[in-house]
Amino acid sequence: DAKTTQPNSMESNEEEPVHLPCNHSTISGTDYIHWYRQLPSQGPEYVIHGLTSNVNNRMASLAIAEDRKSSTLILHRATLRDAAVYYCILRDNNNAGNMLTFGGGTRLMVKP
Amino acid sequence: ETGVTQTPRHLVMGMTNKKSLKCEQHLGHNAMYWYKQSAKKPLELMFVYSLEERVENNSVPSRFSPECPNSSHLFLHLHTLQPEDSALYLCASSMTGGSYNEQFFGPGTRLTVL
Repeated sequence: DAKTTQPNSMESNEEEPVHLPCNHSTISGTDYIHWYRQLPSQGPEYVIHGLTSNVNNRMASLAIAEDRKSSTLILHRATLRDAAVYYCILRDNNNAGNMLTFGGGTRLMVKP
Repeated sequence: ETGVTQTPRHLVMGMTNKKSLKCEQHLGHNAMYWYKQSAKKPLELMFVYSLEERVENNSVPSRFSPECPNSSHLFLHLHTLQPEDSALYLCASSMTGGSYNEQFFGPGTRLTVL
């Protein structure tokens, strides 16, 4: 699977929007963009995924660049409970084993 | 009980001990995974089972031995471990096939090898 690059850490104020960037310049046409997050002392949890179009769900929005070489996870109003490590992962749709390759992620800190 | 459960949550063992980690999923999934998360390192995929058959063994040392007796249960048998094997061991499950199937993770077992 192609590699992603994320900032090591970011800070946000509570109740403000957060934009978490991810670069994936070597993305291939069959790669889906996934985001998971890991809250302290828990296993990772799915946040959102997309292929080409922007996506919204109850947790977040995913904005995908037109050339697909980058994407941004948007938390519309950060809460203290959103403090976590956020992972941007590419997965080849032809990956029959549904395997995920995690990178270092971005540690999001939310200030009250 | 719902979701993915792991037992024990914490385990301390000596290098000569034999122990097993257990994972159970109540989601009707047909694929299960073991990951290792060491301090300051990304999650590493260790093993993948799909339809109870092992489909991935990511160059894991033989002192780790997985077992998947049915689609709901996954074990990781440990023997003669090293201190550097101390880590958080995470289990996950998902469906396979289709365009995308999110993985659901358990809370992990924190393993300390003395």
